[in-house]
Amino acid sequence: RKEVEQDPGPFNVPEGATVAFNCTYSNSASQSFFWYRQDCRKEPKLLMSVYSSGNEDGRFTAQLNRASQYISLLIRDSKLSDSATYLCAVNTDKLIFGTGTRLQVFP
Amino acid sequence: GAVVSQHPSWVICKSGTSVKIECRSLDFQATTMFWYRQFPKQSLMLMATSNEGSKATYEQGVEKDKFLINHASLTLSTLTVTSAHPEDSSFYICSARVTSGSYNEQFFGPGTRLTVL
Repeated sequence: RKEVEQDPGPFNVPEGATVAFNCTYSNSASQSFFWYRQDCRKEPKLLMSVYSSGNEDGRFTAQLNRASQYISLLIRDSKLSDSATYLCAVNTDKLIFGTGTRLQVFP
Repeated sequence: GAVVSQHPSWVICKSGTSVKIECRSLDFQATTMFWYRQFPKQSLMLMATSNEGSKATYEQGVEKDKFLINHASLTLSTLTVTSAHPEDSSFYICSARVTSGSYNEQFFGPGTRLTVL
């Protein structure tokens, strides 16, 4: 079983749609959690950290469920510029990435 | 945020040659850096943890004699792909960790695209 698992997608959604990504992790000792965005042929960029209390940054909301060992990312009012691959990452003493979920927002 | 650079940004080499990739933290010191590899349409796979002044820790399945890591200073780690072959063609990305109390974040370099002919 992979340490961090995501649905690879792709998710094809129209502009303005709400889309949600989930990610599960296997190591219950994981300490911190993140969502990254990666554009084609570029390095990953930190989108947001994820906390048990949930956190929101504009159109983006992240949630952590430690009991079920999954994290989620919700994107509201999707923009064309949101098209990218979204990677969840889980940190123990090293950062392990999921396979990424490809999002394509169309006009 | 902190800035991490990589050099070169891309390299094409012949099979059998060695290639060195540099990873630098430009405005901070990093005792720990990480090397990742990403094949097309796949995620970043951690290759090794580079520790300043000590040996790197390699992930399972990564050959330490093929991927030589040196972290001789607090701002520089190098990855040398020895006797490169076409299957080593990939996107290599480094990151540097900043830790202060409970704060812990990794900053990524822009990556190096290696093509082995």
